[in-house]
Amino acid sequence: AQSVTQLDSQVPVFEEAPVELRCNYSSSVSVYLFWYVQYPNQGLQLLLKYLSGSTLVKGINGFEAEFNKSQTSFHLRKPSVHISDTAEYFCAVSTTDSWGKLQFGAGTQVVVTP
Amino acid sequence: NAGVMQNPRHLVRRRGQEARLRCSPMKGHSHVYWYRQLPEEGLKFMVYLQKENIIDESGMPKERFSAEFPKEGPSILRIQQVVRGDSAAYFCASSPKGQARAEQYFGPGTRLTVT
Repeated sequence: AQSVTQLDSQVPVFEEAPVELRCNYSSSVSVYLFWYVQYPNQGLQLLLKYLSGSTLVKGINGFEAEFNKSQTSFHLRKPSVHISDTAEYFCAVSTTDSWGKLQFGAGTQVVVTP
Repeated sequence: NAGVMQNPRHLVRRRGQEARLRCSPMKGHSHVYWYRQLPEEGLKFMVYLQKENIIDESGMPKERFSAEFPKEGPSILRIQQVVRGDSAAYFCASSPKGQARAEQYFGPGTRLTVT
């Protein structure tokens, strides 16, 4: 079985400041890792994913994440946020031997203020 | 290429009524996943379907919920005799492959309110 923990339920941040969203996972088998963003009243959009290879993954909208196997973490970062980054962010995993069933964390609400 | 379509976007049902949620996957996608987002919670997997087959329904409540993905037409999530606890946002996602590494494309969701 696997689980996903997002350590912060809400992260307030000022415009143009950096942000880091923390995600830890546990699994007895290998996993793929994903970050999704959900804007109000919309579906989820994939920001980035880690499948294999380089542990630093770059995604859309200036986001990046680093896979740390020893710490079982996959933290999301952006060096300078915009007001438009206000949204909910979900970390998710799927086991490599599965057909794609995603297990999500509880989400982190990012609120960007001027 | 149109994205994943879900309808209705908002659905209000009284307790005891039936709710039917529709999901049209992206063109060329034959794999559909349904997830439920309860208030103040993350998304939970419900069911995974391929055309005409239910592959995994381990996340579906044992009673009142069913899903199908016919050869022609959208995937349907059906909730019979709805209760207040069914109020949630229901999302479907489609994928070209039923693989863990394949991206899932999400629809805008159906927000079900049970009064």
